[in-house]
Amino acid sequence: EVQLVESGGGLVQPGGSLRLSCAASGFTFSSYEMNWVRQAPGKGLEWVSYISSSGSTIYYADSVKGRFTISRDNAKNSLYLQMNSLRAEDTAVYYCARCAVNGAFDIWGQGTMVTVSS
Amino acid sequence: DIVMTQSPDSLAVSLGERATINCKSSQSVLYSSNNKNYLAWYQQKPGQPPKLLIYWASTRESGVPDRFSGSGSGTDFTLTISSLQAEDVAVYYCQQYYSTPPFTFGPGTKVDIK
Repeated sequence: EVQLVESGGGLVQPGGSLRLSCAASGFTFSSYEMNWVRQAPGKGLEWVSYISSSGSTIYYADSVKGRFTISRDNAKNSLYLQMNSLRAEDTAVYYCARCAVNGAFDIWGQGTMVTVSS
Repeated sequence: DIVMTQSPDSLAVSLGERATINCKSSQSVLYSSNNKNYLAWYQQKPGQPPKLLIYWASTRESGVPDRFSGSGSGTDFTLTISSLQAEDVAVYYCQQYYSTPPFTFGPGTKVDIK
């Protein structure tokens, strides 16, 4: 079964750090581009970051640029999001999502909740 | 960056009736080299991740019921549910994935039963 499973969320104080992971299974992870997408409570979807299949090309939303770092380990079938200098407005469910060959996001994880609060 | 808007914000439709959701992009998402619109539609039910329904503006993802259809080109797009079922109650998002990121989403349209 094709699957993405996120982990690493939790409660963190403003200014703190957190590292999210996304474990992929059921497909050749190294062949696919990947993304992080977040959703604040009761709000819509916000694209956060993109990484190419090799990891050589990376993009960030302006809202997280300079604070978040996306990476991947194709040998471990895993995607990561290192989040530093966290703010209250980063509170959200964070999803990892696979780019299909057609470019749309065809596989999503169940999400991991990040709460930034003192 | 390309800005996506959707209308209406919400709608209530009787079971078996048609639901229509509109999506507009601030610039064209039609790629001239292959004549494809880089526009997707997603369905999100409460407590669940989004699910891909439509890509390239009008191609149904595998397993998606044929009551869901997408149309439009350039900057104006429509998602139609031809005969609303109870299980279609959800929020629907359009997304552009044209060229380089950011891959922006619309604000969402909530669909309920009247």
